[in-house]
Order: sequence, then structure tokens, then C-alpha cells
Amino acid sequence: DIQMTQSPSSLSASVGDRVTITCRASQGVYNYLAWFQQKPGKAPKSLIYAASSLQSGVPSKFSGSGSETDFTLTINNLQPEDFATYYCQQYKTYPYTFGQGTKLEIK
Amino acid sequence: QVQLQESGPGLVKPSETLSLTCSVSGGSMSNYYWSWVRQPPGKGLEWIGYIRYSGSTYYNPSLKSRVTISVDLSKNQFSLNVTSVTAADTAVYYCARTLSSSFSDTWGQGTLVTVSS
Repeated sequence: DIQMTQSPSSLSASVGDRVTITCRASQGVYNYLAWFQQKPGKAPKSLIYAASSLQSGVPSKFSGSGSETDFTLTINNLQPEDFATYYCQQYKTYPYTFGQGTKLEIK
Repeated sequence: QVQLQESGPGLVKPSETLSLTCSVSGGSMSNYYWSWVRQPPGKGLEWIGYIRYSGSTYYNPSLKSRVTISVDLSKNQFSLNVTSVTAADTAVYYCARTLSSSFSDTWGQGTLVTVSS
């Protein structure tokens, strides 16, 4: 299985900040990489697919980049509703696998 | 706008079979894949598998011997069965619409299934 490792596991930031979350794959996944946001007690929400394509309806403050093994999710101008847990997922090779999650908390 | 809703028992006894159904509304099931993902309490996400609208399936090898996913296009539903459950199968189970065997763009709200006697 392809292992997806996110860093950091948790992150404290303030409203208005810009943050970056990293996702590393144990082998190349080309650009078959998605990012999800999950709030407590809620289902994951799709943010980005194909490493850098924004899902319809997702604000442009979210952006993704990277290819093969190294990917980043950047969130600009953090707002209270952005504090959540973020997951990456590779969908190049079965079984599809998720990172362990990055919990973004208010400082 | 397509919506998904999971349903099924919230409590299953050890060694029995967990059965969930996902009802799809507001859109056609054709031309999509339909997935199940689970999340143990306080932990991360685990991809269980998916079924294509035509009926072909792919399962996570870690669960393959115990999992079956089926689809009923006439009812706009797809289902998950997990046999011989243990406490390790306690989780929130999500159903999701998946695009072209890739990522899932629309998710159900999830349903907690507890395995306990």
C-alpha cells in the first residue's frame, strides 16, 4: 500500500494567517491526489482534486500544488470556519489511502 | 444536487454481519462509482472499496475477504456488508459518490456502527 504522511499532525494559527500543510507519498502518485476538510461530527468535504484543481464551490483561498511524492495544501486568510482537520488521499493505486490528518486549531 | 444518506443498524453483535444501505437522491447513479469509507472514533479515514454503476467492484485487500458492495439502480441505492465483525469494525461509515474511479466529490453524513454484545 502507498503510505501517505502529512505534516504537521497539528497546527495552531490565528485568524488572517496563511498556512501550509504537507503530504508525502511513499511512492509516486503522479497528480492523483485529493484534499478534504473535515469538521467535528461532519463528513469530509472535497476541496481539491488532481493535486491542484479546486472543487466547484470551494473558495480560491484554498490551493494545492505538487506532484509524484510531495504535495502541499495552502490556506490563505484563515477564517474561523477554516479550523478543521485536513486529509490528503491518493487515488493512483489500489487501495486508495489517506494521510493521518492535520488538525488546524485556533491560536 | 445529488445527496447521499446512509441507513442501517447502529449496533451489531460480534461475529455477526454489518449491513448498511446508501440511498442516492437528486441524480442518476449511472456513470459513477459508489464508495464506502469508514472512520473509527477519533481516528483517520479508511477506504473500504467501491462499486461501479455497472456492478464491477474493488475492495481494500485488508477487508476483502469480509466485504461485499452491491448496487440496485432501480432503487437508487448501494449497500455494504461486512461479515464476522469485531470491535475493530466500530466506526462511522460514510458512503460517497466517486468520479471515474478517482476521488469522491459528494459524501453522505455518515452513520456510527458500534460492534458490541
